[in-house]
Amino acid sequence: DAGVIQSPRHEVTEMGQEVTLRCKPISGHDYLFWYRQTMMRGLELLIYFNNNVPIDDSGMPEDRFSAKMPNASFSTLKIQPSEPRDSAVYFCASSSTGPKNTEAFFGQGTRLTVV
Amino acid sequence: SQKIEQNSEALNIQEGKTATLTCNYTNYSPAYLQWYRQDPGRGPVFLLLIRENEKEKRKERLKVTFDTTLKQSLFHITASQPADSATYLCAYTGSARQLTFGSGTQLTVLP
Repeated sequence: DAGVIQSPRHEVTEMGQEVTLRCKPISGHDYLFWYRQTMMRGLELLIYFNNNVPIDDSGMPEDRFSAKMPNASFSTLKIQPSEPRDSAVYFCASSSTGPKNTEAFFGQGTRLTVV
Repeated sequence: SQKIEQNSEALNIQEGKTATLTCNYTNYSPAYLQWYRQDPGRGPVFLLLIRENEKEKRKERLKVTFDTTLKQSLFHITASQPADSATYLCAYTGSARQLTFGSGTQLTVLP
């Protein structure tokens, strides 16, 4: 398996524009997580899904952020409109149900810069 | 609410020495504590997991301990090498698989 795949790797956009980040989890994994990493706040959980259903979105900072998982192999995180303070590295991670498989596998991340 | 804290100061050690990183948590003991390694420009990579009822876990040159009395986990790298230089993150597993991370400790092993 190629691991968790995120696209794009880098995104530079202007304030006010819509940004869509994409993630393909590891096949067979039933949990998908979106994290944001900044120097100030570290790794923060934004939202996670189980079997394509959003379970907890309490980490989503504002209504400008939304996430979907239309099927088991694809998820998107959308920011509309984007603001400079949204600049961060966004990670997607997946894991599988099972008593011994609690570790999460992370993608390479998308570095978002909003100017 | 549960918080997890790591020494935010960078740790520099000499090659061949043992590096010891600390992770402290507040409130209740998490069922699992996990340790990840993160290199610049990359996502975190899982290293070790220790359960609440385990005192110690080992994997090659890595060792993790879990002290529920002190509310602390220690992460050791023995015979450290420059290639071990990275940021190390601890995390606890919530009730439904979600991970909450500490801020990480940046380790530099000097040749």
